[in-house]
Amino acid sequence: SQQGEEDPQALSIQEGENATMNCSYKTSINNLQWYRQNSGRGLVHLILIRSNEREKHSGRLRVTLDTSKKSSSLLITASRAADTASYFCATDKYSGGGADGLTFGKGTHLIIQP
Amino acid sequence: GAGVSQSPSNKVTEKGKDVELRCDPISGHTALYWYRQSLGQGLEFLIYFQGNSAPDKSGLPSDRFSAERTGGSVSTLTIQRTQQEDSAVYLCASSFMVDTGELFFGEGSRLTVL
Repeated sequence: SQQGEEDPQALSIQEGENATMNCSYKTSINNLQWYRQNSGRGLVHLILIRSNEREKHSGRLRVTLDTSKKSSSLLITASRAADTASYFCATDKYSGGGADGLTFGKGTHLIIQP
Repeated sequence: GAGVSQSPSNKVTEKGKDVELRCDPISGHTALYWYRQSLGQGLEFLIYFQGNSAPDKSGLPSDRFSAERTGGSVSTLTIQRTQQEDSAVYLCASSFMVDTGELFFGEGSRLTVL
């Protein structure tokens, strides 16, 4: 069953602008991860935030987690053309960590206009 | 190897034929996962292995799908009597342990059933 749902499904912005994507999930989690997928390629891990963390930074990426609302956001600052990709959030179940695999949403397709 | 390797990268087959997809995980990674991604969709969890054992096979779409892992390394996903709805990209991922979060993905095997 689908655990994470990203919003919006598609986002197009100008290079240099900030891009914000949101993820909502249904059940309690151990951690939430964000992955990027370039067209036709495998997924690349971007960042992991644990359930007891509220915010995390990695370079131009900022992730927030609100467990009371069961939601997360991914902010990409100063976007570049190379950031064009699909972005997925993935959650594990509280009961077993990754015991039955991460559950991925359908992704947000981000297009950065040069 | 340096990363997760999947083969073949592309497979075109006729309806009713059997196909085998192979995944060679990162050396030392004990957990291995198979996902399926249909065009423009998110990732559908199929099965995971901890060592050679697959504790949860409930994600396999039908009894035409099977997977095995030998020697705690290479895994094979077999689809018997392929159907057109099996057409998708099959992604393999590995991690050091089931509960260590980050998954490392291969580039996927694109299956087209005519």
